[in-house]
Amino acid sequence: GENVEQHPSTLSVQEGDSAVIKCTYSDSASNYFPWYKQELGKRPQLIIDIRSNVGEKKDQRIAVTLNKTAKHFSLHITETQPEDSAVYFCAASIGSSASKIIFGSGTRLSIRP
Amino acid sequence: NAGVMQNPRHLVRRRGQEARLRCSPMKGHSHVYWYRQLPEEGLKFMVYLQKENIIDESGMPKERFSAEFPKEGPSILRIQQVVRGDSAAYFCASSLGGQGDTEAFFGQGTRLTVV
Repeated sequence: GENVEQHPSTLSVQEGDSAVIKCTYSDSASNYFPWYKQELGKRPQLIIDIRSNVGEKKDQRIAVTLNKTAKHFSLHITETQPEDSAVYFCAASIGSSASKIIFGSGTRLSIRP
Repeated sequence: NAGVMQNPRHLVRRRGQEARLRCSPMKGHSHVYWYRQLPEEGLKFMVYLQKENIIDESGMPKERFSAEFPKEGPSILRIQQVVRGDSAAYFCASSLGGQGDTEAFFGQGTRLTVV
């Protein structure tokens, strides 16, 4: 069935280093790929998204890449800071109507001082 | 413009009782989604509604769970005869159009505890 897989489940990086989170999806009709950040006890918040007509998008220290052929996409955070510590979820729209979003299982990112 | 409002924030129910979770979407948003999040896990899609219509309920358990989004008032997620396994955080999100077209904004969630 429809599936989004996310790796790794936990990630610890030194402050200032880069962090990369990878996701794969199963529905070839998926065309919208948002990334959400969820801090402990809080709501998920959109940090960046990408559509299938582009291969890369960047917003300051955050970038997302998409490979439609291989059906995988990645989140890159550069110059990590303590406030980047959170759980990150990738997601993919399902079907051509794109009205349903399926989430990955999340990556718990910890930034070491 | 208030964000997505969910209430209550915390809800405790005894086994066998009913739980009612409310979600008021952002102003102007007519699309509502409900997700369930178990501790240390991801967000599981439950149901997608537009005003007075259920569009996709493929993630909803067939029994005890129901959802509605009436013409007036908030969207309601209703769980009848709750069991311990229903304990989770339930998040609502809303968007202007379908999620694939516009950003979905999440509420703070309702944390349901079944004792």
